[in-house]
Amino acid sequence: EAQVTQNPRYLITVTGKKLTVTCSQNMNHEYMSWYRQDPGLGLRQIYYSMNVEVTDKGDVPEGYKVSRKEKRNFPLILESPSPNQTSLYFCASSISGGGTGELFFGEGSRLTVL
Amino acid sequence: GQNIDQPTEMTATEGAIVQINCTYQTSGFNGLFWYQQHAGEAPTFLSYNVLDGLEEKGRFSSFLSRSKGYSYLLLKELQMKDSASYLCAVRTSGTYKYIFGTGTRLKVLA
Repeated sequence: EAQVTQNPRYLITVTGKKLTVTCSQNMNHEYMSWYRQDPGLGLRQIYYSMNVEVTDKGDVPEGYKVSRKEKRNFPLILESPSPNQTSLYFCASSISGGGTGELFFGEGSRLTVL
Repeated sequence: GQNIDQPTEMTATEGAIVQINCTYQTSGFNGLFWYQQHAGEAPTFLSYNVLDGLEEKGRFSSFLSRSKGYSYLLLKELQMKDSASYLCAVRTSGTYKYIFGTGTRLKVLA
């Protein structure tokens, strides 16, 4: 089944404790991206990747890192989480960065930073 | 700056037609997307417009006017399962960033 898989789905952590949210897609998509969704603010793009070893900042990249060493994986790293990073996170992929490529979203990861 | 505006909430009756508007101001344009998001779930793709005009897909249609920075999503023959948030998103040109509106929560009443 074609899908985008995120882990963990739910996480409660404390300020400053490094964490990684994994994202994997099995559709051989070139384009992958991370979003956070907050009430009243909608979905905001954190980082995106056009292909392996090619990443770029979205609108809210501060406090996050990403890497794209393999085509299928695009982990989101919070080196020192803070309470303002409490949010619902979505990973998404698309066949390419352009064209009619729709975004396929993972199920979301709800992160709480205490 | 970059901005996408859509109404926060709309209510309609089962079987009716509803139009959800979206206006945008972005630096560059490379397509406008509509996504549906049910409460507690991930967004799912509904439609894509890159040229002016109407795209029809079953009960759903989407319209784009690039000169006006305007789009709408038209939902016909509303069903209870259409109760969801509808997200308007613009993909910017050159950078392939996506800018999302805050979403329109649609309630369909029996």
